[in-house]
Parts: sequence; structure tokens; C-alpha cells
Amino acid sequence: AQRVTQPEKLLSVFKGAPVELKCNYSYSGSPELFWYVQYSRQRLQLLLRHISRESIKGFTADLNKGETSFHLKKPFAQEEDSAMYYCALRTGRRALTFGSGTRLQVQP
Amino acid sequence: GAGVSQSPSNKVTEKGKDVELRCDPISGHTALYWYRQSLGQGLEFLIYFQGNSAPDKSGLPSDRFSAERTGGSVSTLTIQRTQQEDSAVYLCASSLAGQDEQFFGPGTRLTVL
Repeated sequence: AQRVTQPEKLLSVFKGAPVELKCNYSYSGSPELFWYVQYSRQRLQLLLRHISRESIKGFTADLNKGETSFHLKKPFAQEEDSAMYYCALRTGRRALTFGSGTRLQVQP
Repeated sequence: GAGVSQSPSNKVTEKGKDVELRCDPISGHTALYWYRQSLGQGLEFLIYFQGNSAPDKSGLPSDRFSAERTGGSVSTLTIQRTQQEDSAVYLCASSLAGQDEQFFGPGTRLTVL
């Protein structure tokens, strides 16, 4: 069965510091990976997907099939990046398998 | 346009009672998903509807849980004989057929006393 692991429940950094939110997955086939974000008092929303290879709000994520990872990175964190981040995996069916989430706290 | 809406936003019930949670997807979205978020847990898939196909019920935790989608639009998640472990935030999402992005509703917070 597929699984997504986000080892850190909380990541606290200072403004301007680099950020890396870790995500590892287990799936033997070719997965589709996503990062979703939930800001305070807002809905869960898509941040980025691996097939797009895009940078959103300065965040990037590269799928590493050898390490089965899809870590989310940003070179310089901003206070407005503080939120809950979820890594998600989709296989054959359309529904997503989510990790348990990492709370990012960017301090001034 | 309007996003996914869910009602009620909060529901407090007594153990053993039945509850119904409602989801109104974005107009034109043929795919609809229910997830559950328990305290300290990630989002757990419950059930998925796609058009007129048979729903994927593989995530439902027990036979006390059921869901239907009428007319390809509104969906209702029903939990019978609620237990305290059913307390969670229930999220609904919808997407266009074949599209990646799922749009989430605000959730219904269910508390079983």
C-alpha cells in the first residue's frame, strides 16, 4: 500500500533562512506527488505538483525516485509562509494519500 | 465563482446518534472526495465519486459510514451510531474529471460526546 511520511511535525525557522520540508513516500510504481498548504483559518489548497516542475511563492520540490522523496524547499522563508504543509501522493485511483503534515513557523 | 461548501460547519452529537454531513461541490466538477482529519493525523481518504461510476469506498473505516451523491452534485456522508473516535474534521473536495487539482471545502468539525 502507498504511504507518505512527513517526519517533522513542526519546523521553526527565522525569516530569511532556508526551508526544507521533508516528504518520503512508498509506492512501487510511478507516483504523482503534490504539496498542499493550509494557512491559518483558510482552506486546504494546492501549492504545487511534481509534473508541473514549477515554482510557486518561491517554493520548489523535486521528485527523487531513487530516494523516494519529494522535499519542499524555499531559499528564503517569509513570515507569510507560516502554515501547515501536507505532502500527498496519487497512484491509480484519483484520491490522494496524505502525510500527517508539517507545521512551518517562520519567526521574525 | 463559489467554491466547495459544506454544512454544518460544526456538529456536536451524542454517542450512538446518527449524523449527516453535506457537501456541495463546485458546479461542473464530476469528481467528489471525502476525507477525514483526526487530531494529530493527516488527511485520511474515505470515499470517491466520479460521474456515474461506482464509488470507490475503499477508505470507509466501518459499515457505519456511508455516502451518496445525488444527481451527480450534492453529496451526503452519513455516520450511524457515532462513536467518540469518529470525532474529526470531515473535508470534502471536488475536481474536474481527469484534472489534478482538488478544491477543498472548509470542513465540518464533528464532536461526539
